[in-house]
Amino acid sequence: KNQVEQSPQSLIILEGKNCTLQCNYTVSPFSNLRWYKQDTGRGPVSLTIMTFSENTKSNGRYTATLDADTKQSSLHITASQLSDSASYICVVSFQTGANNLFFGTGTRLTVIP
Amino acid sequence: ETGVTQSPTHLIKTRGQQVTLRCSSQSGHNTVSWYQQALGQGPQFIFQYYREEENGRGNFPPRFSGLQFPNYSSELNVNALELDDSALYLCASSLKIDFLNTEAFFGQGTRLTVV
Repeated sequence: KNQVEQSPQSLIILEGKNCTLQCNYTVSPFSNLRWYKQDTGRGPVSLTIMTFSENTKSNGRYTATLDADTKQSSLHITASQLSDSASYICVVSFQTGANNLFFGTGTRLTVIP
Repeated sequence: ETGVTQSPTHLIKTRGQQVTLRCSSQSGHNTVSWYQQALGQGPQFIFQYYREEENGRGNFPPRFSGLQFPNYSSELNVNALELDDSALYLCASSLKIDFLNTEAFFGQGTRLTVV
C-alpha cells in the first residue's frame, strides 16, 4: 500500500533554533518527493522538490535530504523564525496517473519567542 | 507566488444549496486537480481535468462535478451541499506531457463553510 508517514506529528521550538522533520514513504515507483509549507487555511507552498537521483536540495533556511534506498526524507530548518510556524507536508508522486500525489500526515511546527 | 488563483477565498453556504468554485491555472499548464482538505486532515483527491476532459476521479459522489475551459481554467461545482462539505478546497495546476506529470502548483484555496 502506498503510504507517506511523517514524524513528529507536532513540534514546538524556540525562535532561532534548528529542527528536523522526518518523512518515510512506501510509494513505488516514485517520480519525485516534495516538501510543502502550509499555513492554516491556506494552500500548500512548495519548498523543495527532489527526484530519486537527488540527495539534497536547499531553499534558503530549508534543506531537504532524500535517501531513495531507505525511502526516507528529512527537512531541516535552520535558525527558525516565528513565521516558520505552519504545517509541513511531505508529498510523494507517481510519474503518471491522475491521482498521483500521496500526501503525508504533516508535521505541525510552532516556533515560540 | 504560484500563479494559480482561486476564487472566492471564503464562502458561506446553506445546506442544500449549490456552489461553484473557480481556479485559474498557471500559464502553460494543461491540467488541474481538485482536492478537499478537511480541518486537520490531508488533502483528498476529488478529480483531475486534462485538456478539458475528466482524467481521473477520487471517492466523491456525483454531486461533485467539474469543468475545464479551453484556457485550462477550471470550475468545481458541488450540488446539494451537506455540512460535511465544509472544508478548504484546493486546486493544483500542472503540465502533463504525454501523460507524464510535472510539478503541481497549488492555489491559495477556497474555504467553504456550510451551515
